[in-house]
Amino acid sequence: EADIYQTPRYLVIGTGKKITLECSQTMGHDKMYWYQQDPGMELHLIHYSYGVNSTEKGDLSSESTVSRIRTEHFPLTLESARPSHTSQYLCASSERSKGANTGELFFGEGSRLTVL
Amino acid sequence: QKEVEQDPGPLSVPEGAIVSLNCTYSNSAFQYFMWYRQYSRKGPELLMYTYSSGNKEDGRFTAQVDKSSKYISLFIRDSQPSDSATYLCAMSSGNTPLVFGKGTRLSVIA
Repeated sequence: EADIYQTPRYLVIGTGKKITLECSQTMGHDKMYWYQQDPGMELHLIHYSYGVNSTEKGDLSSESTVSRIRTEHFPLTLESARPSHTSQYLCASSERSKGANTGELFFGEGSRLTVL
Repeated sequence: QKEVEQDPGPLSVPEGAIVSLNCTYSNSAFQYFMWYRQYSRKGPELLMYTYSSGNKEDGRFTAQVDKSSKYISLFIRDSQPSDSATYLCAMSSGNTPLVFGKGTRLSVIA
């Protein structure tokens, strides 16, 4: 079982609120990712990091931001949530020598966000 | 045209059936092909991994890649109710992040 944890699992908040989705992994993986998943749709990469102080935007435009101050921690922040942000957010990690480019990702259980 | 096409289903089969799941793709640079399984309210987990063309077997699961047709398949033999999940194909050239299909929702009925 993968040692990657996401909190909160479920969150319902009002429009305009600031939220942070937490993601931590205990596997010492260098690479970490955030995906957005909607029902019946592809997983879309929104942010990724190849190491501390390294962050990149993915292929899906997102109003969220990320930080990577510690290897094990990769939080995602929405400064002002809107109903269009309602979705499932999945965090993943991979080893330095492997990874998203070769497919061996370990996923957390996801954070289901609902913005009213 | 999307890079990866996958029929989202849903697909419902009786227990013991052979299941065939498929994806097509358009990017000839893809070399790494995998299948992820996602149970309800869980994150995806890697199920099968294939590099380049050919077949790979792991227990009841067989993954096939046909690069000439840009077509990959996952076969599940003797399907069980515990196989009920969403199956996502994913692929990469090795230089860019994974591209996922929409996932096919499978139900195996006892």
